[in-house]
Amino acid sequence: DQQVKQNSPSLSVQEGRISILNCDYTNSMFDYFLWYKKYPAEGPTFLISISSIKDKNEDGRFTVFLNKSAKHLSLHIVPSQPGDSAVYFCAASGGSGGGADGLTFGKGTHLIIQP
Amino acid sequence: NAGVTQTPKFQVLKTGQSMTLQCAQDMNHNSMYWYRQDPGMGLRLIYYSASEGTTDKGEVPNGYNVSRLNKREFSLRLESAAPSQTSVYFCASSLTSGGFIGSTGELFFGEGSRLTVL
Repeated sequence: DQQVKQNSPSLSVQEGRISILNCDYTNSMFDYFLWYKKYPAEGPTFLISISSIKDKNEDGRFTVFLNKSAKHLSLHIVPSQPGDSAVYFCAASGGSGGGADGLTFGKGTHLIIQP
Repeated sequence: NAGVTQTPKFQVLKTGQSMTLQCAQDMNHNSMYWYRQDPGMGLRLIYYSASEGTTDKGEVPNGYNVSRLNKREFSLRLESAAPSQTSVYFCASSLTSGGFIGSTGELFFGEGSRLTVL
């Protein structure tokens, strides 16, 4: 059973507009959520995170929103730039392993920024 | 600034052959992980080592073995490779060590090892 779900395999956005990537989770024990960015032939790199005690975290053009009651988080990128074209993974930590058992990842969303 | 280093980057095997993927980190992290990435499947945890001297199964451990050689190194072994093990393998490390407080569990990834089993 998939505990972290990214229901949009791909998303196309015009340069300069807002990109919104969505993620849902089922395990209420998750207490930390992260977004990773991955370019082809490279490893995933950490982008931004949010603790379950917060509902928003902002870092430059990137903002993550968390709605615990809906078990939903989203990543907003404003404005979108060509270099943002990549696969974005939503991930969660916590659960029974307390974090030491790694992160649980969604399947990823391929973001394409159109010029 | 090496971070997490994986070798080899590419490997082609025949069914039934064995091989070991090597991983080393220079960040003095306690925990290390092996993930595989398949199209449409995201990243799935194979094995992890919460601290030196311990290893545990992840979501998809069948067909693999691991060794936490020391704090820096964590290897993944395929004893008898199968075509279903064709994948991109990522090693990662984290400062986290079970029962942590205040750590995000953020993982740092290597560049990946692309394995093809014919």
